[in-house]
Amino acid sequence: NAGVMQNPRHLVRRRGQEARLRCSPMKGHSHVYWYRQLPEEGLKFMVYLQKENIIDESGMPKERFSAEFPKEGPSILRIQQVVRGDSAAYFCASSHSTGTGDEKLFFGSGTQLSVL
Amino acid sequence: EDQVTQSPEALRLQEGESSSLNCSYTVSGLRGLFWYRQDPGKGPEFLFTLYSAGEEKEKERLKATLTKKESFLHITAPKPEDSATYLCAVQAADSWGKLQFGAGTQVVVTP
Repeated sequence: NAGVMQNPRHLVRRRGQEARLRCSPMKGHSHVYWYRQLPEEGLKFMVYLQKENIIDESGMPKERFSAEFPKEGPSILRIQQVVRGDSAAYFCASSHSTGTGDEKLFFGSGTQLSVL
Repeated sequence: EDQVTQSPEALRLQEGESSSLNCSYTVSGLRGLFWYRQDPGKGPEFLFTLYSAGEEKEKERLKATLTKKESFLHITAPKPEDSATYLCAVQAADSWGKLQFGAGTQVVVTP
């Protein structure tokens, strides 16, 4: 009974490198969401995806960040040319939308990104 | 702009000492208000969804209530295992899957 799986749990990158964070949703879920939690701040929405589609990316920084959820395989959050300010916990969530809009989100354990 | 404010920021309770957490919100049409529990190093764990004013939900020692402007999470006779950060989030009527979270209330229950 696997929940939302994220890997890696911890990722260390030097400034200027790329970070790739992976998320496999719960079985049967076709909706994926990425949230970021900065130290001493609340969770902030980044992006909402369905298979092969970006539904809402209003929370994504305009540069260096991208997300995908391909037909096969996990969802990927990609951060290019990382900077120290990107250091945060990145959480993925998934839902099985009933189409009523009241999606219950199930969260993974997160990836802690540290930029040196 | 949608906004969620939680108070207090931190709460220290003796085992058995009941208390309430507050979540005040402003949102352009509420689709749902969510309560989550988050333990250190883990992702948020779903507790409740409330949809309309007057609604109440219970789970073990936790009870969530909702008015038009705020929600309360009541913890009755807490135990040390109830220690966690409790997060409140709202979903606006025109958003799909996008939750606006508060900063959370960190609860510590001592034996």
